[in-house]
Amino acid sequence: DIQMTQSPSFLSASVGDRVTINCKASQNINKYLNWYQQKLGEAPKLLIYNTNNLQTGIPSRFSGSGSGTDYTLTISSLQPEDVATYFCLQHSSRPWTFGGGTKLELK
Amino acid sequence: QVNLLQSGAALVKPGASVKLSCKASGYTFTDYYIHWVKQSHGKSLEWIGYINPNSGYTNYNEKFKSKATLTVDKSTNTAYMELSRLTSEDSATYYCTRAGGRVMDAWGQGASVTVSS
Repeated sequence: DIQMTQSPSFLSASVGDRVTINCKASQNINKYLNWYQQKLGEAPKLLIYNTNNLQTGIPSRFSGSGSGTDYTLTISSLQPEDVATYFCLQHSSRPWTFGGGTKLELK
Repeated sequence: QVNLLQSGAALVKPGASVKLSCKASGYTFTDYYIHWVKQSHGKSLEWIGYINPNSGYTNYNEKFKSKATLTVDKSTNTAYMELSRLTSEDSATYYCTRAGGRVMDAWGQGASVTVSS
């Protein structure tokens, strides 16, 4: 199985900050990487698919990049409503596997 | 709009089974696969497997092959997941999610399963 190592596990930032979250795969996943946002008590919500494609309706302050084994989610200017836990998911090979999550809080 | 409505919370005894449902609306049910995902309390997510509603073809994470059984009823646009021989390790929230082109883009609200005597 492909292991997804997500970092950091916890992140505290201020409104307006640029925030980056990383996922490292145990092998090349060929850009088959999605990012999800999960707010407390809610289901995950798709933000970015296939590394850098913004899902419809998601604000443009979210972006994704990466290739091979290393991927990044960037929030260009943190907003209060971005407080959530973020997960990466590789769908390059089965079983699909998620990162351990990054809990993002406001400083 | 796309909606996946899951069945409510379940409290079940160890050793029993439970069948969760996921009713789809707002799109053509047979055009998207249905995946199921487990989230243990406060922890990360695990992919259980998927079903093709058109053909009934299933694919499971090896870890859940003897635990979960996925089915669909095309007449009611509903997907089901049955979990068998439940233990405390199966206590979690389970999500159904639709996927087109291998991208899980819409999720149900989740169904909590608690295994306790």
